[in-house]
Amino acid sequence: DVKVTQSSRYLVKRTGEKVFLECVQDMDHENMFWYRQDPGLGLRLIYFSYDVKMKEKGDIPEGYSVSREKKERFSLILESASTNQTSMYLCASRLLTGANSPLHFGNGTRLTVT
Amino acid sequence: AQSVTQPDIHITVSEGASLELRCNYSYGATPYLFWYVQSPGQGLQLLLKYFSGDTLVQGIKGFEAEFKRSQSSFNLRKPSVHWSDAAEYFCAVGAGSYQLTFGKGTKLSVIP
Repeated sequence: DVKVTQSSRYLVKRTGEKVFLECVQDMDHENMFWYRQDPGLGLRLIYFSYDVKMKEKGDIPEGYSVSREKKERFSLILESASTNQTSMYLCASRLLTGANSPLHFGNGTRLTVT
Repeated sequence: AQSVTQPDIHITVSEGASLELRCNYSYGATPYLFWYVQSPGQGLQLLLKYFSGDTLVQGIKGFEAEFKRSQSSFNLRKPSVHWSDAAEYFCAVGAGSYQLTFGKGTKLSVIP
């Protein structure tokens, strides 16, 4: 079974802090994704990566950056956290590039910025 | 661009009753279609998927979905709901190498 692990379930950070959210998958998947989930808005794609050192902007990249130095790890970085980034963050991976390859999700990180 | 609409934000059913969650998509050709479920505090889990072929697809946990091209729909059904089915359900559409587009979700409550 594919395992996607997000390092923290809950995080509380202060406004202006630099925040790192980490995600690791154990199945040699090519693609990795970061989504943000907010009530009534569903899932919105922040960034994704097709392969190591590659990244593409999603629908809402502003205020975020990502890093993928190793195939199994995909990090989401909030350069200067703001209160409007309080949200649930979901990491996902998929085996191949292609919409017919299902996504596998981690359990999420609930971030609160105060 | 593809889009997904889940018309029902919240549905409440009694345990043992049948269930149908609606999903409508917009895309020029036949897309790839998915249903995911999210239990409280968890990530999303794949219930079932449709790529081509038989328009009625079976998934895990006793769920099924039917693709209707003429209605641009991919509704999720279950004949008899269990209390453990209470969760949020997301329909998603994808095509080619593009990313999935998710609906905004339908929250299911189950009355014992």
